[in-house]
Amino acid sequence: SQQGEEDPQALSIQEGENATMNCSYKTSINNLQWYRQNSGRGLVHLILIRSNEREKHSGRLRVTLDTSKKSSSLLITASRAADTASYFCATPGDSGAGSYQLTFGKGTKLSVIP
Amino acid sequence: KAGVTQTPRYLIKTRGQQVTLSCSPISGHRSVSWYQQTPGQGLQFLFEYFSETQRNKGNFPGRFSGRQFSNSRSEMNVSTLELGDSALYLCASSFTGGIDTEAFFGQGTRLTVV
Repeated sequence: SQQGEEDPQALSIQEGENATMNCSYKTSINNLQWYRQNSGRGLVHLILIRSNEREKHSGRLRVTLDTSKKSSSLLITASRAADTASYFCATPGDSGAGSYQLTFGKGTKLSVIP
Repeated sequence: KAGVTQTPRYLIKTRGQQVTLSCSPISGHRSVSWYQQTPGQGLQFLFEYFSETQRNKGNFPGRFSGRQFSNSRSEMNVSTLELGDSALYLCASSFTGGIDTEAFFGQGTRLTVV
């Protein structure tokens, strides 16, 4: 079952605008990660935020985490056409064997129009 | 350093056949995970291997199996293919597969079952 649910499912913006994507999850987490996927290719790790962190920055990316609301947001500032991709949040699940599989949301499809 | 390499990139198989997909992780990474991505179900965890041992398995039928070799390369096998097995299969490697470990994904193998 999906742990994270992204919102919106699709987002279309003009180049230079900011894009905000949200993720909600169900159970308590150790961390939450965001990944990007370009058109049916592999996923690229963007950022990891731990449960004791509230905000994290990486270049044009800003991630927030609200554990009381079980939600996270990803903000991409000054978007570029190259940011066009699907964005997924993921949380690690504990199998109890030292292995932590990632559970992904359905993703937000971002289109940045030049 | 070289990224995660998945071969082949594309496959077309007939119902009832079997298929083997290969994944070469980043040098030094000992954890390899496999994920299935479909439009309907999204990204779903298949299994994870660490030092040639399967540590974790997702909710997939026994037709899906895998293994890991001493050099950490991994293969997954799907027997008696069904139309619903058509998907993008992604492999991810990490150093330990630990809870806050960044996962590096390959470009995926696109399997089409006809």
